[in-house]
Amino acid sequence: DAKTTQPTSMDCAEGRAANLPCNHSTISGNEYVYWYRQIHSQGPQYIIHGLKNNETNEMASLIITEDRKSSTLILPHATLRDTAVYYCIVTTIHGSGNTGKLIFGQGTTLQVKP
Amino acid sequence: EPEVTQTPSHQVTQMGQEVILRCVPISNHLYFYWYRQILGQKVEFLVSFYNNEISEKSEIFDDQFSVERPDGSNFTLKIRSTKLEDSAMYFCASPIAGMGTDTQYFGPGTRLTVL
Repeated sequence: DAKTTQPTSMDCAEGRAANLPCNHSTISGNEYVYWYRQIHSQGPQYIIHGLKNNETNEMASLIITEDRKSSTLILPHATLRDTAVYYCIVTTIHGSGNTGKLIFGQGTTLQVKP
Repeated sequence: EPEVTQTPSHQVTQMGQEVILRCVPISNHLYFYWYRQILGQKVEFLVSFYNNEISEKSEIFDDQFSVERPDGSNFTLKIRSTKLEDSAMYFCASPIAGMGTDTQYFGPGTRLTVL
């Protein structure tokens, strides 16, 4: 799997947009970008994923650069409950020798402050 | 939102004892995963299970570990002879239907403490 690089920590004011960057400069054509988060001591939670187009769902938006070497997860109106560790994971499409395992890095600890 | 459940929520055991951790995944999916997280460290993949067989395992998943599906709905992770370093949170995960195996629901975890 391609390696990802994320900042160790970030702060965000409550109600503001949180923009979490991820670098994945060695990503290859059949690899997706996935975002998960882990609220303290809970199981990781799926947020969103994409291949090359920008994606949006009820939780967040994912912006992937045209060269696909980096992406940004956007939480449009962060709340205190969004305080968590956010993981950017790059993984091949299942079936291309991938059984679906997720390889987590250290992630970005997002602290939403009142 | 579908739920993955795990029991017990917390297990305390003596070193050398066997433990069995249980998970009820999202139904009707052939894939299933176990992960662990040592306190303060990252989430680590242990094993993937497909159609009643192990499809991939990590270096962590040595001979002390085993995975079974004793009935149609439950999965177990057994550690035969626990070591102090097995103390961790253990998470099971199921893929979200229709979204590919990399999109997974995780259970709340079992905290294993080995004394």
